[in-house]
Amino acid sequence: GEQVEQLPSILRVQEGSSASINCTYENSASNYFPWYKQEPGENPKLIIDIRSNMERKQTQGLIVLLDKKAKRFSLHITDTQPGDSAMYFCAASNNNNRIFFGDGTQLVVKP
Amino acid sequence: EAAVTQSPRNKVTVTGGNVTLSCRQTNSHNYMYWYRQDTGHGLRLIHYSYGAGNLQIGDVPDGYKATRTTQEDFFLLLELASPSQTSLYFCASSEPGGQDTQYFGPGTRLLVL
Repeated sequence: GEQVEQLPSILRVQEGSSASINCTYENSASNYFPWYKQEPGENPKLIIDIRSNMERKQTQGLIVLLDKKAKRFSLHITDTQPGDSAMYFCAASNNNNRIFFGDGTQLVVKP
Repeated sequence: EAAVTQSPRNKVTVTGGNVTLSCRQTNSHNYMYWYRQDTGHGLRLIHYSYGAGNLQIGDVPDGYKATRTTQEDFFLLLELASPSQTSLYFCASSEPGGQDTQYFGPGTRLLVL
């Protein structure tokens, strides 16, 4: 299978706290894991990605972790701000011509 | 920044109507994709293509045709539109395939009455 499961579907956090989104994938050959952010009324945009030769990647308040053994990867947003409120999608790819998206997480950062 | 444009941005049609959604990318990407986005389902792949004249079937192809006329242009065709096809449609392009950034167009909101 190629399904990507994403949880939670809705995440509400207080401004300044951290937020975590978790995804699992089925295909052990998957080797590329991007994360997209979609703001209201906008299109999805890549914010960070990780390849299977890494276990951790960090950029500008975003951390992604990859556990290949468990077929699990996650996005952690530190010090959340109202501007982080958006829909977030994880995805996985396996050298195929396409990627497989999770169903999305609606993040709400409360001031 | 990759440029992907879509037209129209909004479309209303009736059941049984004929609709064509257009997508153009100007970044010389070989791969182009059509997705639909519905609440609770995320982004679902309808059709994709890796070059002019090529067409690949995605996960939810029923009721849709597509055609890639040039490297730049990818069209999604709904020949007998149904209310279940009311959705937000995104086109995307990337290079190479699934191993790099997908650049999305602004989306087309389609309402089938």
